[in-house]
Amino acid sequence: GESVGLHLPTLSVQEGDNSIINCAYSNSASDYFIWYKQESGKGPQFIIDIRSNMDKRQGQRVTVLLNKTVKHLSLQIAATQPGDSAVYFCAENSEDFNKFYFGSGTKLNVKP
Amino acid sequence: NAGVTQTPKFRVLKTGQSMTLLCAQDMNHEYMYWYRQDPGMGLRLIHYSVGEGTTAKGEVPDGYNVSRLKKQNFLLGLESAAPSQTSVYFCASSQAGRGTDTQYFGPGTRLTVL
Repeated sequence: GESVGLHLPTLSVQEGDNSIINCAYSNSASDYFIWYKQESGKGPQFIIDIRSNMDKRQGQRVTVLLNKTVKHLSLQIAATQPGDSAVYFCAENSEDFNKFYFGSGTKLNVKP
Repeated sequence: NAGVTQTPKFRVLKTGQSMTLLCAQDMNHEYMYWYRQDPGMGLRLIHYSVGEGTTAKGEVPDGYNVSRLKKQNFLLGLESAAPSQTSVYFCASSQAGRGTDTQYFGPGTRLTVL
């Protein structure tokens, strides 16, 4: 899961393997969640989103799972590629208008 | 479409100096946001705007001011820079607000205050 601090949790996977990145969110009232990918020196890039009325949503090579009971979100990347190496973080909307809370991120290293 | 652009990309200031960061979007989005990102931490919202002529405070607004005179531009000002404001600043925009649309981010401005 993600944590706040100076050192990001790191996940190292072999090219071609599947990756699972986890995120624990705090607000049980959150109803919209987004996963972002951030490459070094670049801005966050939208990957996939999910609303609280869904448990699972699939995109191209990515799947997001939402477990509202334990307030847990995960991002699964199939057949991980070197280009997937980046920091991934989740965002949850808040009860306040227009505000999102962002996790600190997980660094994904893909080994060739 | 260029999406969201930010100017400048890098800047070094001395304590007490002022500067303005410019964010521009060409997607006709209503909502715009300024965030800061510090090492090992998530993005924190500084200020945001729900439309031309409007601004509102986020989580960490102290030491910053903003203006949204035109729909496509959102300016972030530092009146008297402090070392604690050394960070990477990201601008974002979205068509709709909370829970209905994702935010699209610019490439960031790396600011160092000496």
